[in-house]
Amino acid sequence: AQKVTQAQTEISVVEKEDVTLDCVYETRDTTYYLFWYKQPPSGELVFLIRRNSFDEQNEISGRYSWNFQKSTSSFNFTITASQVVDSAVYFCALSEAVSGYSTLTFGKGTMLLVSP
Amino acid sequence: KAGVTQTPRYLIKTRGQQVTLSCSPISGHRSVSWYQQTPGQGLQFLFEYFSETQRNKGNFPGRFSGRQFSNSRSEMNVSTLELGDSALYLCASSLKVQGMETQYFGPGTRLLVL
Repeated sequence: AQKVTQAQTEISVVEKEDVTLDCVYETRDTTYYLFWYKQPPSGELVFLIRRNSFDEQNEISGRYSWNFQKSTSSFNFTITASQVVDSAVYFCALSEAVSGYSTLTFGKGTMLLVSP
Repeated sequence: KAGVTQTPRYLIKTRGQQVTLSCSPISGHRSVSWYQQTPGQGLQFLFEYFSETQRNKGNFPGRFSGRQFSNSRSEMNVSTLELGDSALYLCASSLKVQGMETQYFGPGTRLLVL
């Protein structure tokens, strides 16, 4: 069965520090997608990135970067020069072809606290 | 383009009552999914609707049901509410014509069952 593990429950950093959020997934499917979502205190899940299982290229978007490694089943997320506005809960999620990509399996989330 | 909207945003009910939550997807999106978020279980998939048909269902009791209308708007209903149904209920929409489409989430409905 599919599973997403975010081992870090909470991370606290000081503004301008770099921080990496870990995500490890399990799936028997060969075709799948991985996602990161951000959930601020308001509750809405904000989409950050989507990656398919055939694309292992790392991606950078501003201060955000993602490292996808199939060999270790990991999809880690790094925030460079963190800011207070980055404080939120971050979720990693998996969607598989076998379910028709209908469902997202989420990790438990990592709460990031960035202090000034 | 307007995002996913959910109504009501907050709701307080008592055990045994039933509740209906509404979700309006992003214009043009045809797939609507529902998720329950609780501190203990995290985010869990409830069901997905496409073209008024339920295509997938999570592991929830029959008290949880849903439907989708011809304009893609969706409702979910929980009957005979239990204390454990207190949660944030999130709706997500996607184009879902074929293959993978990113799901975009609404702000959620916070349900408190007393």
